[in-house]
Amino acid sequence: ETGVTQTPRHLVMGMTNKKSLKCEQHLGHNAMYWYKQSAKKPLELMFVYSLEERVENNSVPSRFSPECPNSSHLFLHLHTLQPEDSALYLCASSQDNQGLQPQHFGDGTRLSIL
Amino acid sequence: GENVEQHPSTLSVQEGDSAVIKCTYSDSASNYFPWYKQELGKRPQLIIDIRSNVGEKKDQRIAVTLNKTAKHFSLHITETQPEDSAVYFCAASIPGYQKVTFGTGTKLQVIP
Repeated sequence: ETGVTQTPRHLVMGMTNKKSLKCEQHLGHNAMYWYKQSAKKPLELMFVYSLEERVENNSVPSRFSPECPNSSHLFLHLHTLQPEDSALYLCASSQDNQGLQPQHFGDGTRLSIL
Repeated sequence: GENVEQHPSTLSVQEGDSAVIKCTYSDSASNYFPWYKQELGKRPQLIIDIRSNVGEKKDQRIAVTLNKTAKHFSLHITETQPEDSAVYFCAASIPGYQKVTFGTGTKLQVIP
């Protein structure tokens, strides 16, 4: 299934670098999400966009900055990250904006902070 | 907010046996409960879901049961096969919100 595509698959960066993660969905969905997946922790919701407007931000540090230019694209801009930010970052999309439809995930970006 | 607890964190079964994973949730307003399977190095994928107007749903070897009064739901896998080995996540969703709260995951190992 290639409905949700994330790039890059792997990213290694220093704490002072600036990089961006990209997500694209080809499913015609209305909502897109960023999750952080760390070992032995539940999926942590970072941001939710519905119809291109941010509707949820779970107190994520400002060093993570999302951008949703249209309903098919979602970015996560990274700046001055910390070692504890190393994790798998998953993008997902869903059809509706009522939370009653399954989420479709991308393969994730494995981020390592040096 | 919603809180979802999942047990056990790891589960080993012999091939052909059944596996049961249990989740509890805290917010009685939740009414959508999906289950996701994540194989090593791969994306989470929906395997089955249930809505609150249904008590049980089955899809071949996989079934999910929901007890709204007790606020718990379970995943049942029968006749397990090695390819069932993965991490399984339960989740709960409150209508009107885009947020889904996930459990901590269960690592299932099916021993041939």
